[in-house]
Amino acid sequence: EAGVAQSPRYKIIEKRQSVAFWCNPISGHATLYWYQQILGQGPKLLIQFQNNGVVDDSQLPKDRFSAERLKGVDSTLKIQPAKLEDSAVYLCASSFGTGTEAFFGQGTRLTVV
Amino acid sequence: DQQVKQNSPSLSVQEGRISILNCDYTNSMFDYFLWYKKYPAEGPTFLISISSIKDKNEDGRFTVFLNKSAKHLSLHIVPSQPGDSAVYFCAAYLNTGFQKLVFGTGTRLLVSP
Repeated sequence: EAGVAQSPRYKIIEKRQSVAFWCNPISGHATLYWYQQILGQGPKLLIQFQNNGVVDDSQLPKDRFSAERLKGVDSTLKIQPAKLEDSAVYLCASSFGTGTEAFFGQGTRLTVV
Repeated sequence: DQQVKQNSPSLSVQEGRISILNCDYTNSMFDYFLWYKKYPAEGPTFLISISSIKDKNEDGRFTVFLNKSAKHLSLHIVPSQPGDSAVYFCAAYLNTGFQKLVFGTGTRLLVSP
């Protein structure tokens, strides 16, 4: 069974530029998560989708971050404009449903200079 | 406000001994608990989970204990092996109508030969 796919693996951008990350979850998984992990901290939930609907985005900085889940499958997370403090690893995860094990992709390491 | 807390940032044990990693949570609405292991440059990998209706779950060398009255869970690894050296995250589903997956800050385990 294929795992969660994320791209790109690494990205370096200048502040005020825009960037987009892509995630393809495990087939059949209805729940998709985007996390931000800053060095030395635990993953912080940015947004959680159930199929193509948002169930939680309370910690998403909506003035600069946006996310969508196309047809309840793939998802993109966008940052525009980026700030230095957005430097982090962005992790995508999926699960069959809530209350079940979530499986993670390898993450995208973003460096904003 | 950190709802899932791992108060020990690091732990060192010798090969063959027991490793005990601890996690505390603040909200009684957490109802499903998971442990993840993370190696550098990789996404977190699911290890073991426990439902709030149980107090123990065992899988090979890994056992998770849940004490609901104390809002505390722990992961025991017996015997510890050098390959267990990684960062361990406690995570929990917060059930407030929908289930939101919240992570702790992580504990770095070092198992020395």
